Amino acid sequence: GNSVTQMEGPVTLSEEAFLTINCTYTATGYPSLFWYVQYPGEGLQLLLKATKADDKGSNKGFEATYRKETTSFHLEKGSVQVSDSAVYFCALSYRNFGNEKLTFGTGTRLTIIP
Amino acid sequence: DAGVTQSPTHLIKTRGQQVTLRCSPKSGHDTVSWYQQALGQGPQFIFQYYEEEERQRGNFPDRFSGHQFPNYSSELNVNALLLGDSALYLCASSLLGGRNTEAFFGQGTRLTVV
Repeated sequence: GNSVTQMEGPVTLSEEAFLTINCTYTATGYPSLFWYVQYPGEGLQLLLKATKADDKGSNKGFEATYRKETTSFHLEKGSVQVSDSAVYFCALSYRNFGNEKLTFGTGTRLTIIP
Repeated sequence: DAGVTQSPTHLIKTRGQQVTLRCSPKSGHDTVSWYQQALGQGPQFIFQYYEEEERQRGNFPDRFSGHQFPNYSSELNVNALLLGDSALYLCASSLLGGRNTEAFFGQGTRLTVV
């Protein structure tokens, strides 16, 4: 079946550090890939997505590139801020739009210290 | 736009009882999906409703059932509660067939079974 494996957390970084959160997936065919973020006490918010191989999703300084050859979708940001502290989830689905079920990783808790 | 709203926000039930959780989708959305997020885990897909019918179902027992109303709002019912049903229950709404429309998540209902 389909699955998503994320880098184990928690991750603690200093402000302005470089961030990488690893994500790999197992799936048949060509899924769409997503990163969701969950701030304390809130629901999930879509951070970025990519729908085909070599696509790069980006938003709020975060980037991730769909790598079919390595079945990966690693999240990166060049300079993190305290406000980036949250739990990050990698996910996949089989359609571009939101009505297809999402398969999530276990999440990575990120804490940024000033 | 109120976005996706869920009620109640917190709930405590006793093992063996039944519970009903409610979700109002984002304005303009017609599809509702439910997810279970255990502590420290990623959300797991329970089922999805469109046109008042269950369209997809994840690997959850029949104790989990749902309903969608003509106004697109939805309920999740869980019978014969087990301690292991304690989790954050997330509702997501989307527009079936909408190109590149994301799934919007509510803040969730925290269910504790004692």
